[in-house]
Amino acid sequence: SQKIEQNSEALNIQEGKTATLTCNYTNYSPAYLQWYRQDPGRGPVFLLLIRENEKEKRKERLKVTFDTTLKQSLFHITASQPADSATYLCALNNAGNMLTFGGGTRLMVKP
Amino acid sequence: GAVVSQHPSWVICKSGTSVKIECRSLDFQATTMFWYRQFPKQSLMLMATSNEGSKATYEQGVEKDKFLINHASLTLSTLTVTSAHPEDSSFYICSASPTSGQTWSYNEQFFGPGTRLTVL
Repeated sequence: SQKIEQNSEALNIQEGKTATLTCNYTNYSPAYLQWYRQDPGRGPVFLLLIRENEKEKRKERLKVTFDTTLKQSLFHITASQPADSATYLCALNNAGNMLTFGGGTRLMVKP
Repeated sequence: GAVVSQHPSWVICKSGTSVKIECRSLDFQATTMFWYRQFPKQSLMLMATSNEGSKATYEQGVEKDKFLINHASLTLSTLTVTSAHPEDSSFYICSASPTSGQTWSYNEQFFGPGTRLTVL
């Protein structure tokens, strides 16, 4: 069955450092991979979308890589700030627009 | 742009009653809307996919007679939890995919702020 794995343990880093979150998947050939941010008690907020034929995408301090051979995506936040503290979700979809979410990784950026 | 609203943001009801949750796309049209449920410290689980003007498609294990979905227009979908029980208490989130031809990609989904349902 399809499986999407994100590190369930919280990631604690110091302000100013680069945070790197991992999303691994099995039994899936997604056409798109998306990253979302979710704050407690709120809905997810779309951050970035990367297509299967793209290796890397950037948006301001965010960078996403997508390795379809390793079946892995890495999500980087450079120059992290306490305001970046949240849960980050990866989600995969095929040619349709139905998303399957990973379990999310909680990021804590300490001042 | 690309704002999705939900109403109410939270609701407390007695066991056995029905609760309706509205999901609206405010500045775009959405042929497809999705309903998710999220339990504490867990990820979003898709409940159903709703297409404007047709019956919703429910995921395995989701009772369609208990979770009634109506998608009567391109900007509004409703989820009604019928005969609610304490185990239905959860965070319900909707999302909407823009209809093709608009500013955003068909593959993008925009999420509402969620509705916290507590059944006593």
